[in-house]
Amino acid sequence: DAKTTQPTSMDCAEGRAANLPCNHSTISGNEYVYWYRQIHSQGPQYIIHGLKNNETNEMASLIITEDRKSSTLILPHATLRDTAVYYCIVRPRSYSGAGSYQLTFGKGTKLSVIP
Amino acid sequence: DVKVTQSSRYLVKRTGEKVFLECVQDMDHENMFWYRQDPGLGLRLIYFSYDVKMKEKGDIPEGYSVSREKKERFSLILESASTNQTSMYLCASKALNTEAFFGQGTRLTVV
Repeated sequence: DAKTTQPTSMDCAEGRAANLPCNHSTISGNEYVYWYRQIHSQGPQYIIHGLKNNETNEMASLIITEDRKSSTLILPHATLRDTAVYYCIVRPRSYSGAGSYQLTFGKGTKLSVIP
Repeated sequence: DVKVTQSSRYLVKRTGEKVFLECVQDMDHENMFWYRQDPGLGLRLIYFSYDVKMKEKGDIPEGYSVSREKKERFSLILESASTNQTSMYLCASKALNTEAFFGQGTRLTVV
């Protein structure tokens, strides 16, 4: 799987947009970008994923650069409940073969939403 | 909604005990995973399974084994618990074309 690089931590004012960057310069053509988050003392939660087009759902927007080497997760109006560690992962959407089933998380970005 | 249920939220065991952590998912997912999470180290994959009775080592399998006798259940076994296995353990499941769904985690303390 392609490796990702994220900032260790970020702050965001409550009500403002939170923009979380992720670099994945070695991403290959069949790999999607996935975002998860983990609120303290809970298991990780899926947020959104995309291949090359920008995506939006009820939780967030995902902006992927044209060369696909980086992406940004946008929480449009951050609330205190969005304080969490955010993980960016790249991997194929579907796959076969035992060796490709790993789902590898990095250390993520700790987002603190400030009142 | 997909539900991934881990048998215990908190567990305290003694050094040398055999420990079983159970995980059950209700969505007929093929793939199941066990991670441990420690401060500053993120989530590290211990074992995963892509089918009943099939298992593959992750990044840190030493000191652990797993069992997948039924599709919905994936067990993590600590044959002889040690204090360095004190950690948060997270189970996840996913189908071939879905995102991963995680349980709430089991915080294991080995004393």
